Amino acid sequence: EVQLVESGGGLVKPEGSLRLSCEVSGFTVSDAWMSWVRQAPGKGLEWVGRIKSQSDGGTTDYAAPVKGRFTISRADSKNRLYLQMDSLKTEDTAVYYCTTDRAGFGRWFYYYMDVWGKGTAITVSS
Amino acid sequence: QSVLTQPPSVSAAPGQKVTISCSGGGTNIENNYVSWYQQLPGTAPRLLIYDNDKRPSGTPDRFSGSKSGASVTLAITGLQTGDEADYYCGTWDYSLSAVVFGGGTKLTVL
Repeated sequence: EVQLVESGGGLVKPEGSLRLSCEVSGFTVSDAWMSWVRQAPGKGLEWVGRIKSQSDGGTTDYAAPVKGRFTISRADSKNRLYLQMDSLKTEDTAVYYCTTDRAGFGRWFYYYMDVWGKGTAITVSS
Repeated sequence: QSVLTQPPSVSAAPGQKVTISCSGGGTNIENNYVSWYQQLPGTAPRLLIYDNDKRPSGTPDRFSGSKSGASVTLAITGLQTGDEADYYCGTWDYSLSAVVFGGGTKLTVL
């Protein structure tokens, strides 16, 4: 069974850094496309970024609000996904979910998140 | 302001049918498949519908999706109180090179 368990959340001051971890079980993290999605308190879902599988190049893409500040990586030996967050802002306060993604082409392009973790919350406040 | 537009809320009585719309444009819905996610109160989102109208195992056939042009619709028949949740549409946007979501629709089963 595929399971994702996030950890690393907490309280951090503006301009601070934090690293979130997503422990993966049921598959090999390097074989999957994975994303981070966040949800600010009382708000909707916002995609943060993704990393492609190793066989697809392992490249990363980020949403505009976090580009240059957040970095997604993985540790294949630990079967974990990470989200390094630097220069944090108050608007980064949210619950952060890791997901496994499916992407490809049929008649059109498809991209969806098929498994979600339970999330970890971060609060950026002085 | 979300790239995809959903009504903030919908409501209907138990046993009835409700539809939730999600509209976008040529860089997202019109030329890509769309997925729907259900978020029950206090829980993480879960995949409800993918590729516009396909149900993963675990999604009852009371839930169905459809697409027309740059809009998609989620229909729920035989409403149950357990269906009360927030529902989000999502897809890829070519212009932004990003996954985009609708703002979410809160379903109330009266």
